Amino acid sequence: GQQVQQSPASLVLQEGENAELQCNFSSTATRLQWFYQHPGGRLVSLFYNPSGTKHTGRLTSTTVTNERRSSLHISSSQTTDSGTYFCAIGANTGKLTFGDGTVLTVKP
Amino acid sequence: GALVYQYPRRTICKSGTSMRMECQAVGFQATSVAWYRQSPQKTFELIALSTVNSAIKYEQNFTQEKFPISHPNLSFSSMTVLNAYLEDRGLYLCGAREWVKAETLYFGSGTRLTVL
Repeated sequence: GQQVQQSPASLVLQEGENAELQCNFSSTATRLQWFYQHPGGRLVSLFYNPSGTKHTGRLTSTTVTNERRSSLHISSSQTTDSGTYFCAIGANTGKLTFGDGTVLTVKP
Repeated sequence: GALVYQYPRRTICKSGTSMRMECQAVGFQATSVAWYRQSPQKTFELIALSTVNSAIKYEQNFTQEKFPISHPNLSFSSMTVLNAYLEDRGLYLCGAREWVKAETLYFGSGTRLTVL
């Protein structure tokens, strides 16, 4: 089945620094989503981005489909960005396969 | 916007008892609903994928006998964990998608199950 590898597993930053999160996947994905999970568990969709580059606020997602990789860039990190970020890929079956996540800690 | 409400947020049940969780889609038609379990180690497992007017597809290691799911209309789905034991603990998340757009999967806040 599909495999999703995220790196780094954890990342500690000082407020104001930038973060680069990586996602590599084992097979062609027609769907790719980045999620942020609040410490309480709520999963929030950040991007649906199976190819190309998308921006929202301080976040940028870039997916290079033929290289089976995607990245999430967070600029000028804030303490409220702390949490776990997941990359998930899928085909047209509706099933998403999640990576193990990157735990981001932003210190004041 | 599209929202998914899931309740209860957390529940505690005794070993061998059952508990039900519900998922409500607001602002879109939840043609497809996926139920996931996130383990205490944070890994996600897909339990089943439900599409209105189609059979529910369970993943390997998950059965209808253990996790019966109802998806009666385009705004509501429920799942029951029958005879819960310690290994069933975790965060259960429902994700819903509108089939026509079929892009973003929207998740609820999850139901955290503790089994005593």
